Amino acid sequence: SYEVTQPLSLSVALGQTARITCGGNNIGSRNAHWYQQKPGQAPVLVIYRDDNRPSGIPERFSGSNSGNTATLTISRAQVGDEADYYCQVWDSNNWVFGGGTKLTVL
Amino acid sequence: EVQLLDSGGGLVQPGGSLRLSCAASGFTFSNFAMSWVRQAPGKGLEWVSTISGNGGSTYYADSVAGRFTISRDNSKNTLYLQMNSLRAEDTALYFCAKEYYGYFDHWGQGTLVTVSS
Repeated sequence: SYEVTQPLSLSVALGQTARITCGGNNIGSRNAHWYQQKPGQAPVLVIYRDDNRPSGIPERFSGSNSGNTATLTISRAQVGDEADYYCQVWDSNNWVFGGGTKLTVL
Repeated sequence: EVQLLDSGGGLVQPGGSLRLSCAASGFTFSNFAMSWVRQAPGKGLEWVSTISGNGGSTYYADSVAGRFTISRDNSKNTLYLQMNSLRAEDTALYFCAKEYYGYFDHWGQGTLVTVSS
């Protein structure tokens, strides 16, 4: 079965750029999606189909996907961006999540 | 506005059963696949099951196949998850989610299932 891997944690200075990666075998040939989850809340879709933002998601959030790595980029990181972030792909009627990355804004 | 309201969680003994419900509004329910995703305490997200818009196709994670059954009543705009032979490792917050071409664009608030004696 297909697997995707994420770093457990990432720290970024306030106002700087955070890049959260999602690794998988030739993940660039699939659509990658990203969710933000804050403590005690349901996940929220922040990027779909590699690089598309749902309405209401700030332009500071962007995505890319190529080769064996999909990346969620958060520009000008804010304290409010502190959360767990999950990547997700679809594989033969299985919806696969990465293990999640905890983002800390210092 | 899309709204998904999960309910039905609770405390159940190992080997027991529970049925979760998800009441949907704000979209044409029968046009969309729906899913259940769970999150064990302190852990990440795990896809559980998906059902097509007309209910004709269902998909399950290996960890629940044969024990859980997903269903829907399009006349009531409601999604269900029947959980049988529950195990301690099924303890989690269960979210219903609206599925759209491979991703989940809206989520419920979750309902907690605790399997313990």
